[in-house]
Amino acid sequence: AQSVTQLDSHVSVSEGTPVLLRCNYSSSYSPSLFWYVQHPNKGLQLLLKYTSAATLVKGINGFEAEFKKSETSFHLTKPSAHMSDAAEYFCVVSVGYQAAGNKLTFGGGTRVLVKP
Amino acid sequence: SQTIHQWPATLVQPVGSPLSLECTVEGTSNPNLYWYRQAAGRGLQLLFYSVGIGQISSEVPQNLSASRPQDRQFILSSKKLLLSDSGFYLCAWSRTVNQPQHFGDGTRLSIL
Repeated sequence: AQSVTQLDSHVSVSEGTPVLLRCNYSSSYSPSLFWYVQHPNKGLQLLLKYTSAATLVKGINGFEAEFKKSETSFHLTKPSAHMSDAAEYFCVVSVGYQAAGNKLTFGGGTRVLVKP
Repeated sequence: SQTIHQWPATLVQPVGSPLSLECTVEGTSNPNLYWYRQAAGRGLQLLFYSVGIGQISSEVPQNLSASRPQDRQFILSSKKLLLSDSGFYLCAWSRTVNQPQHFGDGTRLSIL
């Protein structure tokens, strides 16, 4: 079984300052991990993915995440927040086998507020 | 490139009425397809997934059903809507193992 814990339900940052969204996972298999962003009344957009290649993953819009197996973490960072980064972010782990439909397990989400 | 279309964007329905939400994917073949519901202020709940035409797996018992009449078409239905069916419904597709899912823009369903 797998699970995902996003350690902060809300994060507030000032524009231009760094953003850190924390995620811990557990998985019985070698995991694939993803970060998604959801703006209000929109679908989820993939920010980045880790699939057992480089442990530092670069995504869209200046985001990156580091996979740390020893800490079972996959934290998302951005050096400088922009107003458009205000949204909800989901850390996600994949079951990883087709027989189960490649289902995803979602974290509870972190809502990011960006102050001017 | 692949695209996913989901409609309608918003829907207001009375209690007891039927429902049909449609999702189609373009630019790929034999995708995995998914229906999710997101209640207000909560995470995503997987309702159904399909790994092929006519193959539907249900994750949560409820008065909803899903069908996949064509390779890239996924339909969510109900014969009689309940108030508790209100929410934001998202369709998604993926390739096979270890690949991310790609989401449509969602349907906001309100039940009156």
